[in-house]
Amino acid sequence: GENVEQHPSTLSVQEGDSAVIKCTYSDSASNYFPWYKQELGKRPQLIIDIRSNVGEKKDQRIAVTLNKTAKHFSLHITETQPEDSAVYFCAASILDAGKSTFGDGTTLTVKP
Amino acid sequence: EAGVVQSPRYKIIEKKQPVAFWCNPISGHNTLYWYLQNLGQGPELLIRYENEEAVDDSQLPKDRFSAERLKGVDSTLKIQPAELGDSAVYLCASSLRAGVFNEQFFGPGTRLTVL
Repeated sequence: GENVEQHPSTLSVQEGDSAVIKCTYSDSASNYFPWYKQELGKRPQLIIDIRSNVGEKKDQRIAVTLNKTAKHFSLHITETQPEDSAVYFCAASILDAGKSTFGDGTTLTVKP
Repeated sequence: EAGVVQSPRYKIIEKKQPVAFWCNPISGHNTLYWYLQNLGQGPELLIRYENEEAVDDSQLPKDRFSAERLKGVDSTLKIQPAELGDSAVYLCASSLRAGVFNEQFFGPGTRLTVL
């Protein structure tokens, strides 16, 4: 089955700096890669996603890049703010099969 | 539009007791997922339903866990008997349907503590 590894497990940055979280996956059939943000005690919420036919996608301060050959994808957050502090999960999915495998999460702390 | 609803939010039971969790997905969502989330880890799929059919239950420990989605809408996940290691957050999620629309909307989860 699919295996998703996520790094780093914790990340601390100063407000205004950039943050990068990386994930690797093993199943070349995976074709959809969502990122979820989970604030303490709350539900995971989708923040950005990318499909395998696209190399990069951007939405304001967040962007995701995908390298299908190397089987890795990354989340980039620029101009970080304290409210970006949360746990971020990546996932690798096979769209038609409805299967998603999640990484173990990255705890991002943005210091004011 | 209401999101995914789960109840209870918290449950504390003693080991060997039964427990049940309920989930009501977003209206019109055909696909329903139950996940287990241990502290410091990502969600792990237990079972996925397409309408009332369980299409992926390979990770469900069937000796003690069971689930149902009789009318293809709300769903119940049961553990009987509960063990100490079952302490975790149980997340329910739904999506419009597997395939094109795969965004999963999560419920708030049920935090289970087994003493």
